[in-house]
Amino acid sequence: EPEVTQTPSHQVTQMGQEVILRCVPISNHLYFYWYRQILGQKVEFLVSFYNNEISEKSEIFDDQFSVERPDGSNFTLKIRSTKLEDSAMYFCASQILTGGNGYTFGSGTRLTVV
Amino acid sequence: DQQVKQNSPSLSVQEGRISILNCDYTNSMFDYFLWYKKYPAEGPTFLISISSIKDKNEDGRFTVFLNKSAKHLSLHIVPSQPGDSAVYFCAASGTSGTYKYIFGTGTRLKVLA
Repeated sequence: EPEVTQTPSHQVTQMGQEVILRCVPISNHLYFYWYRQILGQKVEFLVSFYNNEISEKSEIFDDQFSVERPDGSNFTLKIRSTKLEDSAMYFCASQILTGGNGYTFGSGTRLTVV
Repeated sequence: DQQVKQNSPSLSVQEGRISILNCDYTNSMFDYFLWYKKYPAEGPTFLISISSIKDKNEDGRFTVFLNKSAKHLSLHIVPSQPGDSAVYFCAASGTSGTYKYIFGTGTRLKVLA
């Protein structure tokens, strides 16, 4: 069964450093998303991406965050200057069409900012 | 701003019995509702969805019920199995060109053998 692949599974970084979280969505999917889950809290929407541009972003997704689809397969989330409160599980998801068929999520990257 | 609420953080059920997980929402513009299951160290896995034009959707052991007037949905798992033990999230999606899901805080289901 096709899956969404995320790397690395765990990233530890110093506060103020830049991190890039990588995702390979399912190949024929058209809609891409990043969500995060701070430990013990709910899964929160960060950004959606379609047709090579951001279609929607949340208040969390400020100027420190950016997304890119540099080639036909990768979808990356960059945090320019990490803060302690960025520590969370980051989930990438993709979807062939919007609507009620649900996303396919990756297994997540645990980001720890120290 | 909790638009999607799961008021029970945990639930324990005996194997073979019915598990009922509940979810309430506040935004009447939501028109798709979904349930996801999450195991530790894995991403959420899509389980079942329901459109606002329906009040029930069934898939094997899983049934989702939607009560629009009460802004309430529930997931029934019958019969419950130990492998169903996981965190269950309900999520909602609205119209107006938004494709994001708003998730609840999750309910941890434990099915006891």
